[in-house]
Amino acid sequence: AIRMTQSPSSFSASTGDRVTITCRASQGISSYLAWYQQKPGKAPKLLIYAASTLQSGVPSRFSGSGSGTDFTLTISCLQSEDFATYYCQQYYSYPTFGGGTKVEIK
Amino acid sequence: EVQLVESGGGLVQPGRSLRLSCTASGFTFGDYAMSWVRQAPGKGLEWVGFIRSKAYGGTTEYAASVKGRFTISRDDSKSIAYLQMNSLKTEDTAVYYCTRDIVVVTAIPGAFDIWGQGTMVTVSS
Repeated sequence: AIRMTQSPSSFSASTGDRVTITCRASQGISSYLAWYQQKPGKAPKLLIYAASTLQSGVPSRFSGSGSGTDFTLTISCLQSEDFATYYCQQYYSYPTFGGGTKVEIK
Repeated sequence: EVQLVESGGGLVQPGRSLRLSCTASGFTFGDYAMSWVRQAPGKGLEWVGFIRSKAYGGTTEYAASVKGRFTISRDDSKSIAYLQMNSLKTEDTAVYYCTRDIVVVTAIPGAFDIWGQGTMVTVSS
């Protein structure tokens, strides 16, 4: 199975900050990567698929980049509603998820 | 409104069985592949399995951790997907989510654009 490694596992930030989360695949996955946001007690929400395509209805402050093994999710200007846990997921082969990155309020 | 609603979770003893249901509405269920994803308490997400649309034979794929114990099926006439879980283990304790693949008529699981609210399964004696 393809292993997905996210970093950092958690960090603190302030509203207005630009934040970047990274995701590394154990082998090349082309652009078969998605990003999700999950808030406590809620189902994950798809933010980005195909590494950089913004899902309908998702604010443009979210963006994704990368291909092959290294990917990033960027939030250009952190809002209060963005404090959550973020997961990457590859679908080059049977889906696997990263361990998650928790974004907390500083 | 496009929606998935899971049901059937609960407390079950190790070795026993449980069947989860996922009722879809707001879209043409039969056109889409469906997956089940689970999340153990305080842990990350784990893909459980996938069922293709009838256009791809309605066949299934499973994660190694559940293969041979879990079975996914679908009833397109009722817009319901099922997850039959047999020989349950304590490590199967999790919230189980039903998800829709973002690509209409796909042969392989991809990104998941619609998620249900989840149903909790607790395996304990």
